[in-house]
Amino acid sequence: SQTIHQWPATLVQPVGSPLSLECTVEGTSNPNLYWYRQAAGRGLQLLFYSVGIGQISSEVPQNLSASRPQDRQFILSSKKLLLSDSGFYLCAWSQGAVTEAFFGQGTRLTVV
Amino acid sequence: SQELEQSPQSLIVQEGKNLTINCTSSKTLYGLYWYKQKYGEGLIFLMMLQKGGEEKSHEKITAKLDEKKQQSSLHITASQPSHAGIYLCGAAPYNNAGNMLTFGGGTRLMVKP
Repeated sequence: SQTIHQWPATLVQPVGSPLSLECTVEGTSNPNLYWYRQAAGRGLQLLFYSVGIGQISSEVPQNLSASRPQDRQFILSSKKLLLSDSGFYLCAWSQGAVTEAFFGQGTRLTVV
Repeated sequence: SQELEQSPQSLIVQEGKNLTINCTSSKTLYGLYWYKQKYGEGLIFLMMLQKGGEEKSHEKITAKLDEKKQQSSLHITASQPSHAGIYLCGAAPYNNAGNMLTFGGGTRLMVKP
């Protein structure tokens, strides 16, 4: 069966520090991968999605970037965090053109 | 871009009561997904609707997609405290380049025992 791992679960980082959140998927190949951010008690904002290795589409211009160095690995990064980067980050994967997406457990990032 | 509006934003109901959450799209949908999220956790997939007029049920939760495929409703019958959480609708538009999935703002449901 397929599983998705996202880490760390929580992270407190100072302003100006770098960020690296990692997401890996097991049990499937060539998944579509997504990074979302969720403000407190609100909906999900799509940040990046990828349909293949090295292919990244950005939905919202921001201080963040994403990379897909391997088929089942998706990384969210920042060179210098801002206070406004705080939030709950969710990684997800889906298979095929239009199928449901499956989510990781999320990373709560607090920038101080 | 795809925009999904959910209503209400929050809802408090007495245990045992029925409730409905709505999701409206600005564009025709290729697929509509309902998820449930408990605070601070990932999303749990509930149901996917793809055909106009389609209706699916899972335990006490029923979701419908209208004929025009621009509006969906999620109905919970005889609500329980376990139904509490944030319900999110997600969608893939017809011209789904890149298989992009976008989400509505969510509905926070509280069930009072």
